[in-house]
Amino acid sequence: NAGVMQNPRHLVRRRGQEARLRCSPMKGHSHVYWYRQLPEEGLKFMVYLQKENIIDESGMPKERFSAEFPKEGPSILRIQQVVRGDSAAYFCASSPGREKNTEAFFGQGTRLTVV
Amino acid sequence: AQSVTQPDIHITVSEGASLELRCNYSYGATPYLFWYVQSPGQGLQLLLKYFSGDTLVQGIKGFEAEFKRSQSSFNLRKPSVHWSDAAEYFCAVAQNQGGKLIFGQGTELSVKP
Repeated sequence: NAGVMQNPRHLVRRRGQEARLRCSPMKGHSHVYWYRQLPEEGLKFMVYLQKENIIDESGMPKERFSAEFPKEGPSILRIQQVVRGDSAAYFCASSPGREKNTEAFFGQGTRLTVV
Repeated sequence: AQSVTQPDIHITVSEGASLELRCNYSYGATPYLFWYVQSPGQGLQLLLKYFSGDTLVQGIKGFEAEFKRSQSSFNLRKPSVHWSDAAEYFCAVAQNQGGKLIFGQGTELSVKP
């Protein structure tokens, strides 16, 4: 059973470009969470999604950031018109669902560098 | 509001010495508590978790943690540290088992030979 897969592992974008980060949850998991880790900081929750639904986006910046988890395919975190301050590690986690007695499992992260 | 505090930003211990990393949480209901470890450039690996039951929890790599409701703490311990334990350690709290996590700032552990 493959773990949570994130790609790319490293992404370099110029200011003003778009960044697309992908997350494939573990098999059987229908809940996905995105977290951001800024340099020298802990992880901050961004968004919680189920298939085709955004459940909690209380941690998402109001502009330029969006997330989706379509019926088919991976979850996508999209950052439009990136700025230097978006440089961070972005982690995805998945879980089977709140009714299951288990924790969320994390991917290896995507390290975004904006130049 | 939920919050997690890890008072120690950086700790250095000698190899073979015992270790305790502190974690205090603020949460109104029964929390679900976690400790994760992150090696440089890597993702997070779960060390252990507390959902209910016995307040002393055993995890992987010889780590354990004790949930103390009266102190709102969930400190991580290891009796004898190995050089490979050098990493960053994060405490986290969640409202439910698989849900949204609130992380502490992390404690960076260095191990002296």
